[in-house]
Amino acid sequence: GAGVSQTPSNKVTEKGKYVELRCDPISGHTALYWYRQSLGQGPEFLIYFQGTGAADDSGLPNDRFFAVRPEGSVSTLKIQRTERGDSAVYLCASSLLRGRTDTQYFGPGTRLTVL
Amino acid sequence: GNSVTQMEGPVTLSEEAFLTINCTYTATGYPSLFWYVQYPGEGLQLLLKATKADDKGSNKGFEATYRKETTSFHLEKGSVQVSDSAVYFCALDSGGGADGLTFGKGTHLIIQP
Repeated sequence: GAGVSQTPSNKVTEKGKYVELRCDPISGHTALYWYRQSLGQGPEFLIYFQGTGAADDSGLPNDRFFAVRPEGSVSTLKIQRTERGDSAVYLCASSLLRGRTDTQYFGPGTRLTVL
Repeated sequence: GNSVTQMEGPVTLSEEAFLTINCTYTATGYPSLFWYVQYPGEGLQLLLKATKADDKGSNKGFEATYRKETTSFHLEKGSVQVSDSAVYFCALDSGGGADGLTFGKGTHLIIQP
């Protein structure tokens, strides 16, 4: 079946602009996660949704970052007033349930470049 | 808090060599442990996992054993191939809905023919 998809694959923007990154999880998966991966580093957790609600947003770096999942499927990560330090690959993952044994399946990522 | 430490790369080996990539962790509770792999130009894929102490995860000739006493989850393969060239990430999940996966920095593996 279809895996996790993310759009766009690449996004170049100017400092101060607003961007939206989209994630389509695997059909039927209730849990959805966003991570950020900087060059040469492992992914870092940003936010986790169980259904429509953000169950844990402890990884969001500041209030410029916001994410929604209004119908419990597709999610959008929104970044306001982008800064050059926001440049990274943004990864989305989904899992059937949220438990420590559940496998998270990752999308290909969106590479964000802030000029 | 949770953390994962894995050996720095790049690791360069000849084809058919034995591979070990070390991974140690610090976690609250009883985490599950994972190895993810990222092949060139592709996304992260689960390679193997273990959910409790002494479990061995295995896939594609790779294996790793969950060692609670040494808080380790080292990745091994008896005979590597050029196609194993990739970046390997060790990760843990302590569950409870908090924090998602905690990843190490990744180890770049290069296999030469």
